[in-house]
Amino acid sequence: QITLKESGPTLVKPTQTLTLTCSFSGFSLSRSGAGVGWIRQPPGKALEWLGLILWDDGKHYSPSLKSRLTISKDTSKNQVVLTMTNVDPVDTATYYCARTYDSSGYPHAFNIWGQGTLVTVSS
Amino acid sequence: DVQMTQSPSSLSASVGDRVTITCRASHDLVRRLAWYQQKPGKAPKLLIYRVSTLESGVPSRFIGSESGTEFTLTISGLQPEDFATYYCQQAYTFPWTFGQGTKVEIK
Repeated sequence: QITLKESGPTLVKPTQTLTLTCSFSGFSLSRSGAGVGWIRQPPGKALEWLGLILWDDGKHYSPSLKSRLTISKDTSKNQVVLTMTNVDPVDTATYYCARTYDSSGYPHAFNIWGQGTLVTVSS
Repeated sequence: DVQMTQSPSSLSASVGDRVTITCRASHDLVRRLAWYQQKPGKAPKLLIYRVSTLESGVPSRFIGSESGTEFTLTISGLQPEDFATYYCQQAYTFPWTFGQGTKVEIK
């Protein structure tokens, strides 16, 4: 059974750095074609793709957030970490991590999602 | 970036109705198009990938199709558990992008 779970602070002050951890089980991020992505959803709004890290350590980011985001992985711990610098109240959202995998080596959909974690940015 | 224009933003329908949701892409996606269902307070759930392939366990009343750069999710015979918000997502190129969502409400 594949599971993912996000963890981190629920409240962050403006200008601070947000660090979220995605802990997963049931799959290996070392396997060709695997990846873990981050998606967020402001209250009452649509899903926004933030970025993705692949089995070969390839990383892709949303252009609008690229300067503020870093995604890294610790394969031995089965964890992926999202770091967002200089947060603002508009970053208030539920943050999801999700797994993607395709045997062809070109993943294309998130088939397993974490439950999400609500992060509020406020002073 | 590939832009995904999803319509309608909301619709009202009755149990048993046939419902159609559309996403138009700004570029050919080479079949890298997925559909998700999200219920309030829950994480999205993958319904369909590669335009028309049903994820395991998803009922066959969910049907995905394409015509050029226009992609359609059809729910054939709406069930009470289908009232939710639906999103398309392209994975042809980075950044992956989602549509704006379609909320399916009870008439």
